[in-house]
Amino acid sequence: EAGVTQFPSHSVIEKGQTVTLRCDPISGHDNLYWYRRVMGKEIKFLLHFVKESKQDESGMPNNRFLAERTGGTYSTLKVQPAELEDSGVYFCASSAGTSRYNEQFFGPGTRLTVL
Amino acid sequence: KNQVEQSPQSLIILEGKNCTLQCNYTVSPFSNLRWYKQDTGRGPVSLTIMTFSENTKSNGRYTATLDADTKQSSLHITASQLSDSASYICVGRAYGQNFVFGPGTRLSVLP
Repeated sequence: EAGVTQFPSHSVIEKGQTVTLRCDPISGHDNLYWYRRVMGKEIKFLLHFVKESKQDESGMPNNRFLAERTGGTYSTLKVQPAELEDSGVYFCASSAGTSRYNEQFFGPGTRLTVL
Repeated sequence: KNQVEQSPQSLIILEGKNCTLQCNYTVSPFSNLRWYKQDTGRGPVSLTIMTFSENTKSNGRYTATLDADTKQSSLHITASQLSDSASYICVGRAYGQNFVFGPGTRLSVLP
């Protein structure tokens, strides 16, 4: 069974440009999460999808970030326009459910560098 | 405010030795606590998940403990191997809320 995949693995853009990150969860997982790790800091929650609906987007830093999950399958996270402080590693995770024992499976992350 | 702290920040041990990593959490109302292993350049991988009623859980050479009274958890690694070199992240979750990650402990196992 394929795990969570993310594309691209690395992205280097200039300030003001737009970048779109993609996440393909494990097939059949309704729950999809986005997280971010800024250099030197801990991983932080961004948002949570249940199928195609945003369950919780309280972690999204500002309106330059837009996440979508069309059809409840893959998800995209767009940053427009990118700022220097957006640099970091963006992780996606998926889970079958949300109970206390449900395991989250993480993708390898996308390393975003904004110059 | 929900918070997770870990110590030490980094640790170097020799192959074959045991080690223990610490986690202090302030997560309320407490739902569960998890330990993840993150290899360089990869996403975190779950090692253990513990709820309030569980005070020990093992996964191979990894044993996690949970003390709900002191709000502390530890991860003990037995007979370390070179492949154990990674960051170990403690994650707490409160009911109805999202995961709170600790900063991680970077473990290096030397031959």
